[in-house]
Amino acid sequence: DQQVKQNSPSLSVQEGRISILNCDYTNSMFDYFLWYKKYPAEGPTFLISISSIKDKNEDGRFTVFLNKSAKHLSLHIVPSQPGDSAVYFCAASGTGNTPLVFGKGTRLSVIA
Amino acid sequence: DAGVTQSPTHLIKTRGQQVTLRCSPKSGHDTVSWYQQALGQGPQFIFQYYEEEERQRGNFPDRFSGHQFPNYSSELNVNALLLGDSALYLCASSLVSLIDTQYFGPGTRLTVL
Repeated sequence: DQQVKQNSPSLSVQEGRISILNCDYTNSMFDYFLWYKKYPAEGPTFLISISSIKDKNEDGRFTVFLNKSAKHLSLHIVPSQPGDSAVYFCAASGTGNTPLVFGKGTRLSVIA
Repeated sequence: DAGVTQSPTHLIKTRGQQVTLRCSPKSGHDTVSWYQQALGQGPQFIFQYYEEEERQRGNFPDRFSGHQFPNYSSELNVNALLLGDSALYLCASSLVSLIDTQYFGPGTRLTVL
């Protein structure tokens, strides 16, 4: 039973356009959400996070939106750059320092 | 400042053998977590160590065990290897006070034949 779902295995976007990566979760106890980026032969790198008390968090070109009622979050990358091409993982955790639960990832390809 | 390091990079074993993977956390970090990432899947939590004790454990059998040393480095041991244990094993370190912000190493690719 997947508690964190990334239903799009891959996404292709043109350079300069917006990339939108989606993530759904089923566990209502999750209250902290993170996005990680992973390049081949490297470990996942923390990108941006959001607490359940917020509905938006922005860091440069990256913005994460959280819709608690829909149990849905999304990562927006504007503008997309070729260096953004990687696998993006959505992860969630609950209160009390519970372990991170990851989705299967979405492979983003930004085409020049 | 060195990040999280893992050794070895790659490893090939046969069914039934035992394997030990090693992890050195980022400088200043006191907590180490281990994850298994099978092909096409996201990382799956195995267990977490703090103060040389296993604090939390995911849904993995007892064949998976670990250890944390006084210098915060950690080992992951897997006994009686199965073909299904073939995966990328990731180590992540953090501060116990900032447990959600984890820094990952590059992983060890384990192949079981």
